[in-house]
Amino acid sequence: NAGVTQTPKFQVLKTGQSMTLQCAQDMNHEYMSWYRQDPGMGLRLIHYSVGAGITDQGEVPNGYNVSRSTTEDFPLRLLSAAPSQTSVYFCASSYGSGMNTDTQYFGPGTRLTVL
Amino acid sequence: AQSVTQLDSHVSVSEGTPVLLRCNYSSSYSPSLFWYVQHPNKGLQLLLKYTSAATLVKGINGFEAEFKKSETSFHLTKPSAHMSDAAEYFCVVSDQSGGFKTIFGAGTRLFVKA
Repeated sequence: NAGVTQTPKFQVLKTGQSMTLQCAQDMNHEYMSWYRQDPGMGLRLIHYSVGAGITDQGEVPNGYNVSRSTTEDFPLRLLSAAPSQTSVYFCASSYGSGMNTDTQYFGPGTRLTVL
Repeated sequence: AQSVTQLDSHVSVSEGTPVLLRCNYSSSYSPSLFWYVQHPNKGLQLLLKYTSAATLVKGINGFEAEFKKSETSFHLTKPSAHMSDAAEYFCVVSDQSGGFKTIFGAGTRLFVKA
């Protein structure tokens, strides 16, 4: 199993550009989520999904969109990039449908810089 | 509402000495608590988790943590540090309030000196 994969690993955008961060998992996990990691702030939840066709907002959803058309894929879209979105983005998945006891499996991250 | 506080942003130990990384939490429900480790330029990996079973939880690489409800703490320990333990460690709380929401602490960076 490849686990959780993310592409690209690095990306530089100009303010106002849009892009999609890709996330895929091959573990047949129902739950997937996106986090951003900023220095001194841990990880903050952007959006999450408890199954195909179901998404919900996390702690910091503004400026981001998600969709979940398949169990495997959970792309994150930046609609109009801003310097405040410079961060490292992690995708994660877990087996259950939102059980708080579930272990999350993380991808290797995407480092995004917005100029 | 749930919250988690990691009491030290940086901890420095010598190789072979004990490690203590401190974590306090707040939760209105019976929480699940996790410790994750992040090595430089890598994703996060689960070290151990508490899910209302035994209060002393053993994890990978010799780490363990004890859930103390009266103190609302979940400190991470290891008897003898190894150079490969140098990484950032995150304490995480998750409960049933407001759906499945997981809150990460700000992280503790562990330095291990030879």
